[in-house]
Amino acid sequence: GAVVSQHPSRVICKSGTSVKIECRSLDFQATTMFWYRQFPKQSLMLMATSNEGSKATYEQGVEKDKFLINHASLTLSTLTVTSAHPEDSSFYICTLDRPSTDTQYFGPGTRLTVL
Amino acid sequence: QKEVEQDPGPLSVPEGAIVSLNCTYSNSAFQYFMWYRQYSRKGPELLMYTYSSGNKEDGRFTAQVDKSSKYISLFIRDSQPSDSATYLCAPGGNNRLAFGKGNQVVVIP
Repeated sequence: GAVVSQHPSRVICKSGTSVKIECRSLDFQATTMFWYRQFPKQSLMLMATSNEGSKATYEQGVEKDKFLINHASLTLSTLTVTSAHPEDSSFYICTLDRPSTDTQYFGPGTRLTVL
Repeated sequence: QKEVEQDPGPLSVPEGAIVSLNCTYSNSAFQYFMWYRQYSRKGPELLMYTYSSGNKEDGRFTAQVDKSSKYISLFIRDSQPSDSATYLCAPGGNNRLAFGKGNQVVVIP
C-alpha cells in the first residue's frame, strides 16, 4: 500500500496567491522528509530537507521565504508556495526515508499550475 | 560535469524485448544505488536498490552496478507494454539522492 500521501494532487491558482501542499507519512514516523521539484522532461531537483521540530534546510538557489516548510509532526510536512508565479508551475514531490534504511519513498506528487 | 548522466531517450522496443538502461555518475562517495519508475503524471516509485557492485535480480528486472567505472544499469527482460514509463537512476549517500534525467521507455505491443 501507499507509504506517502500528498494533498492536493493537482492545483491551479492565480498568480500572487499562496498554495499549501501537504505530505503525510502513512506507514511510519518520519523525522526527515524531502521536497523535490520536477519540471517537464527534467530530473528531480531537491529543494529542501524538512526536519521535524526544527527549521528546514534549503538547497542553494531555493528561496526559503518563498517556499515555506513546516514539519510540525512526525507524519506531516507542508510546503507553502507563497505569492506563486507562473514560473513556479511544476510537479512538487515529497519523499521520506524509511527508518534504519537508505530507501526513500516518494509521494504521488502535486502538480501546480499558476496562471 | 553533472553528478548523474542519463540518456533521456525515448527508447522504443517491441514487446518481449530486453530493455537496457544505464547511467554514469561522478561522485565516488555514493554508497547505494536506486532505480525508480515514473509513470506519466505520477510520482516515482522505487523499483530496485542495491548497495554493492554486481548484479541484483528481482523478477524481470536486473540492476547492475560497477563502482570502479561508476556505471549503473537496469535490464528489463520480456518487456511488457505496462513497462512503458520513465526510469530514473538515483545513486545516493549520506542521506542524499542524486537523480538522472530519466530514460523514457516505450514498449510497443
